[in-house]
Amino acid sequence: EIVLTQSPGTLSFSPGERATLSCRASQSVGSNYLAWYQHKPGQPPRLLIYGASSRATGIPDRFSGSGSGTDFTLTISRLEPEDFAVYYCQHYDTSPPTWTFGQGTKVEIK
Amino acid sequence: QVQLQESGPALVKPSETMSLTCSVSGGSITTYFWSWVRQPPGKGLEWIGYIYYRGSTNYNPSLKSRVTMSVDTSKNQFSLKLTSVTAADTALYYCVRDNISYVHSFDIWGRGTMVTVSS
Repeated sequence: EIVLTQSPGTLSFSPGERATLSCRASQSVGSNYLAWYQHKPGQPPRLLIYGASSRATGIPDRFSGSGSGTDFTLTISRLEPEDFAVYYCQHYDTSPPTWTFGQGTKVEIK
Repeated sequence: QVQLQESGPALVKPSETMSLTCSVSGGSITTYFWSWVRQPPGKGLEWIGYIYYRGSTNYNPSLKSRVTMSVDTSKNQFSLKLTSVTAADTALYYCVRDNISYVHSFDIWGRGTMVTVSS
């Protein structure tokens, strides 16, 4: 079973700054099967990135994903006030179909 | 536009069985995989299990012995049963759509329904 580790648990930034979030897998994963979600209080999570680097429909281009193997990154190029939230990475395993979430990174205002 | 709506009791007693239903509107349940995800208060997201309209399922190993999912294509609904619940099952439960076009990511989520396990 693959474990996804997101560290640190909390990151503090000022609006306008660049944020880089990390997701590390316990073993190499197919990069196609890595996704990122944004979760704000009182709302359901929102899919940002799928296939490690593809933006979902309607996601601003300040969000980008990269990585392969065991190390993946979500970058927010310039933080807007609405970007302060918790971010989760997620892996899909094909056989059998199984989904695993990282424990999340909270991006807070400095 | 596809929308998901969870429904079920907000309060369940310890040791009892929790049942939730997800109603799919704006699209057919036969086209995608469907899952349940939960979030205990103050904690992260946990995948519970998935179902395909033909009945194939797989569950999180940590919950497998207590989980059953089913689908009713005539009602465009799928359901979750969790037996022998404890306080640890208190959580916000989401039903979600798995989109193969998004490489099996969850592109549509319900608003979530809070379930509290307490006597």
